[in-house]
Amino acid sequence: SQQGEEDPQALSIQEGENATMNCSYKTSINNLQWYRQNSGRGLVHLILIRSNEREKHSGRLRVTLDTSKKSSSLLITASRAADTASYFCATHSTDSWGKLQFGAGTQVVVTP
Amino acid sequence: DTAVSQTPKYLVTQMGNDKSIKCEQNLGHDTMYWYKQDSKKFLKIMFSYNNKELIINETVPNRFSPKSPDKAHLNLHINSLELGDSAVYFCASSQGGGLAKNIQYFGAGTRLSVL
Repeated sequence: SQQGEEDPQALSIQEGENATMNCSYKTSINNLQWYRQNSGRGLVHLILIRSNEREKHSGRLRVTLDTSKKSSSLLITASRAADTASYFCATHSTDSWGKLQFGAGTQVVVTP
Repeated sequence: DTAVSQTPKYLVTQMGNDKSIKCEQNLGHDTMYWYKQDSKKFLKIMFSYNNKELIINETVPNRFSPKSPDKAHLNLHINSLELGDSAVYFCASSQGGGLAKNIQYFGAGTRLSVL
C-alpha cells in the first residue's frame, strides 16, 4: 500500500499566492523528502527533512514535519507560473535501506 | 551533461515482445533504482542495485529482469510484454542508501506503450 498520501490531489492558484500541500505517512521514518515533477519529465529533489527536524526552509519553500502525527507539509510562497508541476512526498522508513516510498502527488497549477 | 540518462524515451511495441531500457548515470553514485509510474502518477519502486548488487526487489513479475554491468549502468529487460506493463519507467541514482545519502536523481523517463 502507499506510504505517503498527499492532500489535496490538485490545487489551482494565482501567481503570487501561497500553495500548501500535506503528506501523511504510516511508518517510522529516517527522513522525508519532497520532489517536483514537471509534465513529461523526471522527478527533481526539492528538500529533505530529517526525522529529528521540525522545519526546514529552502528559498521559497518551507517544509514542516510532525512525527507524532506522521505528517508533513510543503509551502510554496509567492508562487510563479513556473511552479506548475506535481509535487510528491517520499519517505525513507527506518526499516528499509535506501528505499523511498512515494505518495500519489499533488498537482499544482499556477495561473498568471 | 545529463546526470541520469535513459534510453529510449518512447517505446511502442506489441504484446508478447521482449524489450530493454537502458540507464546510465555519470554522478559517481553507488546506488541505482528502477521505478514504474502508472497513469495516476503513482510511483512504485521495482528494483535497486548498490555497487552492482541487488538490494531491493519488490514484488515484480519475473518477466522483469534488471542487469547492472557496472555501478554506472542499470538496464531493465522485460520479457513477454503485457498490456498492463504500459507505464512510464524511471531510472534514478543516489550516493547510497543511508541517512541523507538517498536523495535520488531521476532520468527523464521511458514511456512504454504496449499495444
